[in-house]
Amino acid sequence: DVKVTQSSRYLVKRTGEKVFLECVQDMDHENMFWYRQDPGLGLRLIYFSYDVKMKEKGDIPEGYSVSREKKERFSLILESASTNQTSMYLCASSSGQDTGELFFGEGSRLTVL
Amino acid sequence: AQSVTQPDIHITVSEGASLELRCNYSYGATPYLFWYVQSPGQGLQLLLKYFSGDTLVQGIKGFEAEFKRSQSSFNLRKPSVHWSDAAEYFCAVGSRSGQNFVFGPGTRLSVLP
Repeated sequence: DVKVTQSSRYLVKRTGEKVFLECVQDMDHENMFWYRQDPGLGLRLIYFSYDVKMKEKGDIPEGYSVSREKKERFSLILESASTNQTSMYLCASSSGQDTGELFFGEGSRLTVL
Repeated sequence: AQSVTQPDIHITVSEGASLELRCNYSYGATPYLFWYVQSPGQGLQLLLKYFSGDTLVQGIKGFEAEFKRSQSSFNLRKPSVHWSDAAEYFCAVGSRSGQNFVFGPGTRLSVLP
């Protein structure tokens, strides 16, 4: 089975702190994604990557950056966390050669105080 | 532009009753269609997918969905709902490349005992 693992399920940070959210997939997928999920707003795409060292902005990239140094790992970085970044963050991956299905991690619930 | 609508924000059904969740999409090419389920505090799990062939697809947990090209719909159905089906359900459209995903806003399902 495909496994997408997000390193932290729950995080509490303070305003201004740097936050790293890590995501690892074990199926050699080309594509990896970071979404943010908020009540009433659904899933919003922050960034995605279709290859190592490649990244593309999604719908709401402001305040975020990403890193993909290895194919299996895609990190989301909040350089200076703010309270409006309190949210559920979901990582996903997909193969570019199959049925286009997204595989999701369990999510990381971030609270910024 | 690609879009997915789920007209029902919240549906309540009694346990044992039948269920239909509606999904309409707008997509320029042959759509790859998906239904995902999300339990509280969890990531999204794939219920079923359609990209070609028989327009009635079977998924996990007893769910099925029917693709109707003329109506641009991909409605999810279950003949008899169980209390454990209470969750949020997302319809999504994508492509074979696995890069161009669009999610609907979700439908929250409540199940009465």
